[in-house]
Amino acid sequence: AQSVTQPDIHITVSEGASLELRCNYSYGATPYLFWYVQSPGQGLQLLLKYFSGDTLVQGIKGFEAEFKRSQSSFNLRKPSVHWSDAAEYFCAVGPQGAQKLVFGQGTRLTINP
Amino acid sequence: NAGVTQTPKFRVLKTGQSMTLLCAQDMNHEYMYWYRQDPGMGLRLIHYSVGEGTTAKGEVPDGYNVSRLKKQNFLLGLESAAPSQTSVYFCASRSLQAGGPVETQYFGPGTRLLVL
Repeated sequence: AQSVTQPDIHITVSEGASLELRCNYSYGATPYLFWYVQSPGQGLQLLLKYFSGDTLVQGIKGFEAEFKRSQSSFNLRKPSVHWSDAAEYFCAVGPQGAQKLVFGQGTRLTINP
Repeated sequence: NAGVTQTPKFRVLKTGQSMTLLCAQDMNHEYMYWYRQDPGMGLRLIHYSVGEGTTAKGEVPDGYNVSRLKKQNFLLGLESAAPSQTSVYFCASRSLQAGGPVETQYFGPGTRLLVL
């Protein structure tokens, strides 16, 4: 069965610092991977997705993620965070042709001024 | 385009009461989903639909029913609400791309439900 683990429930970083949010997945074949962001009181917005090809994926708002098959990981990164990046971030996985996604538990990001 | 909309935004119920949450999308998407979000649990799939007139169970379907009479609408019903159903409910939709990659799910703004 597919599963997604986000090891960090809550991360705090200073504004301007770099960020890495971890995501590990369990799936037998090449998965389709997603990162979503949820601002307080809002729905989820897609940041980026990986289906195939280049393992470094660029998304919106200056985010990127790298797919590492050997580590079953799809970590999200940003070189310099802004106060507006404070939100909850969800990693999700779905196999090819899947009707459903499996979401991780989420990582809440707090930004210190 | 309004995208995915949800009605109501917030509701308080007493135990045993019933209610229906409405999800509407104007993107002509085939697939629609209902999730619940609870602290530390991420999003869990309640029910989903792969087309008008079809529904299927997700991870946590008990206590909920759904209907998809029109392609653009997906209703989530609670027949007899329980405090354990206090949650934030999200609807999502996506297009069907036969033979292609999994398309992006687009989410509504959520419905906060409190069951007393």
